[in-house]
Amino acid sequence: TQLLEQSPQFLSIQEGENLTVYCNSSSVFSSLQWYRQEPGEGPVLLVTVVTGGEVKKLKRLTFQFGDARKDSSLHITAAQPGDTGLYLCAGPASGGYQKVTFGTGTKLQVIP
Amino acid sequence: KAGVTQTPRYLIKTRGQQVTLSCSPISGHRSVSWYQQTPGQGLQFLFEYFSETQRNKGNFPGRFSGRQFSNSRSEMNVSTLELGDSALYLCASSREGPPQETQYFGPGTRLLVL
Repeated sequence: TQLLEQSPQFLSIQEGENLTVYCNSSSVFSSLQWYRQEPGEGPVLLVTVVTGGEVKKLKRLTFQFGDARKDSSLHITAAQPGDTGLYLCAGPASGGYQKVTFGTGTKLQVIP
Repeated sequence: KAGVTQTPRYLIKTRGQQVTLSCSPISGHRSVSWYQQTPGQGLQFLFEYFSETQRNKGNFPGRFSGRQFSNSRSEMNVSTLELGDSALYLCASSREGPPQETQYFGPGTRLLVL
């Protein structure tokens, strides 16, 4: 079974601080996705990374896919209260292409 | 265009009962996936349907079943409910299916089993 472990599990920071969330696995993934989920809503896709070493930027969010395609990171610069939510990484699971495995999640709280 | 809708949004059932949840995908999307989200286990894949066929299934007991209709709407059914089935059930739709296509999630149905 492919597992995606995220760290930290919880993060509470002040507005304006920087943070990094990690998504690690012992398995190779063909691609990884990052989602953000706000209370009472379903996850919303932020980005998909497909190439080892790839870096993608989405405003203040920077996503990196590890060279070996076993890990990924999400860095947020100057966090804002609107960044509060549950961050999830996800990738295609073994045993079926349409089967998606999600990470354990990182709950971020940005305090104004 | 309208997003993914799920009904009902909240549901309370007792142990042993069965429940049916409904998901209406975005127009034109033929793939619907179902997920269970709990604080302890996180977000787990239940199954995925495409053009009325189940293409993949997660590691859940046979009490969890689903189907998809010709208009791509999907239902999932849980029979003989257990306390541990209390969770947020999410469905997601895409044109051709994950992971190559973006999945759009609905707001979920929160099920409480007493």
